[in-house]
Amino acid sequence: DAGVTQSPTHLIKTRGQQVTLRCSPKSGHDTVSWYQQALGQGPQFIFQYYEEEERQRGNFPDRFSGHQFPNYSSELNVNALLLGDSALYLCASSLGQGEDEQYFGPGTRLTVT
Amino acid sequence: AQSVSQHNHHVILSEAASLELGCNYSYGGTVNLFWYVQYPGQHLQLLLKYFSGDPLVKGIKGFEAEFIKSKFSFNLRKPSVQWSDTAEYFCAAARYSGGYQKVTFGTGTKLQVIP
Repeated sequence: DAGVTQSPTHLIKTRGQQVTLRCSPKSGHDTVSWYQQALGQGPQFIFQYYEEEERQRGNFPDRFSGHQFPNYSSELNVNALLLGDSALYLCASSLGQGEDEQYFGPGTRLTVT
Repeated sequence: AQSVSQHNHHVILSEAASLELGCNYSYGGTVNLFWYVQYPGQHLQLLLKYFSGDPLVKGIKGFEAEFIKSKFSFNLRKPSVQWSDTAEYFCAAARYSGGYQKVTFGTGTKLQVIP
């Protein structure tokens, strides 16, 4: 039973560039949430996707956008990268929109120079 | 807005010492509470969760947590820590808006267990 997978593992980008991160949920899960974890901080909720639509959003600017595909996998896109976007980006999957625990992937480490 | 506070940022204990990590949340409505652990080089894993019922919940690896509604607290405990418990611990609270779950994490507590 495959857990949550994310790609790439590491990424280095330059200020102003755009980046796409990918996530495949745990088998059987249909809901994907994205988090940003800056160094020394806890994960901060970015947004959640269910049935290919963004259902909840945290306090992140519109530069952060996402997509969910029919197979439940998801992408996180960040435009016009800033140095402050350097962080570990975590994907978590769960089943449905109800009360269920989230399973986390290993994350993508993004460095913006 | 919902927030989660973890009061201890870095804790150092000797093996066999008892552990208690504090967690307080601010949301007044119904919340579900979690403790996650992140071992060095590994991804976040669920230690335990509270949804309802018995406020004392037991998790994996001998951890337990007590939900005290009047204090908005969900402290994590372990009677006797081991070197392998060295990790970062995150408290999280989930609330439901429009049927969708939104999870807020604390800033984490780094636990270092000395052999």
